[in-house]
Amino acid sequence: NAGVTQTPKFQVLKTGQSMTLQCAQDMNHEYMSWYRQDPGMGLRLIHYSVGAGITDQGEVPNGYNVSRSTTEDFPLRLLSAAPSQTSVYFCASSPRRTGSSYEQYFGPGTRLTVT
Amino acid sequence: AQTVTQSQPEMSVQEAETVTLSCTYDTSESDYYLFWYKQPPSRQMILVIRQEAYKQQNATENRFSVNFQKAAKSFSLKISDSQLGDAAMYFCAYRTRNSGNTPLVFGKGTRLSVIA
Repeated sequence: NAGVTQTPKFQVLKTGQSMTLQCAQDMNHEYMSWYRQDPGMGLRLIHYSVGAGITDQGEVPNGYNVSRSTTEDFPLRLLSAAPSQTSVYFCASSPRRTGSSYEQYFGPGTRLTVT
Repeated sequence: AQTVTQSQPEMSVQEAETVTLSCTYDTSESDYYLFWYKQPPSRQMILVIRQEAYKQQNATENRFSVNFQKAAKSFSLKISDSQLGDAAMYFCAYRTRNSGNTPLVFGKGTRLSVIA
């Protein structure tokens, strides 16, 4: 049981490049989400998904796309990277079943730098 | 929309002493969860403690305990017998109790230093 995995751990992009941050979980969790962490800002929600085929926007969705074709995977796409997207990105998941603690399980994060 | 406020950007404590981190939140809901997460330099987010809003009893986990004041919308974290390994960023977070399909709302964090 690997929990929540994220790849890559570090990435440097040039402005205008595109890339996909990968997130996978092996706990059969329905709920998955992406956050970005910036100094002094805490963690802010980018997008989330309550199940395969269902996604919704969070607080800071601009510049990011997501899809959820399987329960396990929830990739985050940057179509045209900008320096403002330099951040640490976290993926998280949690079960939806009644009676769960509603705790979210976090991946190790991806540090992205856009030059 | 719910908001979470941590008014102490930085705190410090002497080793073996006790420290309290503050958190307030704003919500119109009556049923929710509150969490404290720890983020050490490794960057990993680690759950420290959780509190269900419908429970009046304050949650405790070993040296960590909370003071949950529902009417005041306050949720402070007390760390007793502080250890060097407690040095980290601490985030307070809120989640609506709604079949587990709602996002976490985070405060901006408190950086805790432990002085030997």
